[in-house]
Amino acid sequence: DGGITQSPKYLFRKEGQNVTLSCEQNLNHDAMYWYRQDPGQGLRLIYYSQIVNDFQKGDIAEGYSVSREKKESFPLTVTSAQKNPTAFYLCASSIVAGGYGTEAFFGQGTRLTVV
Amino acid sequence: RKEVEQDPGPFNVPEGATVAFNCTYSNSASQSFFWYRQDCRKEPKLLMSVYSSGNEDGRFTAQLNRASQYISLLIRDSKLSDSATYLCVVNLYTGGFKTIFGAGTRLFVKA
Repeated sequence: DGGITQSPKYLFRKEGQNVTLSCEQNLNHDAMYWYRQDPGQGLRLIYYSQIVNDFQKGDIAEGYSVSREKKESFPLTVTSAQKNPTAFYLCASSIVAGGYGTEAFFGQGTRLTVV
Repeated sequence: RKEVEQDPGPFNVPEGATVAFNCTYSNSASQSFFWYRQDCRKEPKLLMSVYSSGNEDGRFTAQLNRASQYISLLIRDSKLSDSATYLCVVNLYTGGFKTIFGAGTRLFVKA
């Protein structure tokens, strides 16, 4: 079945440690995105990528890093520079054709708790 | 000003009621529009796309007003299962392409 897979679903880390969240899609989508959601809040864009080896900062990129070495994969690293990393992280992908984007499809999310 | 703005609610309505959500967007380069539904502690899922001519899917009607940069979602005959957060989503292209989510409007439908 085609879809987006995020792993792990739950992640606990000690303060000051870097952690990498996985996102893989087999939908052959061009664009991939990372969002952060805090309790009772909306989605905020961290990073996005339209093609392999290229990505752009979103609204809250500080303390995060990404890579896009393969079309299928867009891992997110939460670094120790991120001051409040505990949140629900959502990865999404969409088709981009002729400058127009289709709807985004989401993975099930990763809940990161830093203790 | 936020790129996509929604009334956060919550909207508390009885079963059977009609409820309307509004959303405004600030960038005229916005190209495509969607409504998503998000259940508690779950990922957002596409509810419907929004077309310029307006579109309907069962009890749900979406409308777009490009001149006013405004999108709406109407839910008729609300069900308990409609309780969720509804997110307005805009795709825009300004030299690069990105998808922007509104903060969402919470809906509670009560018996």
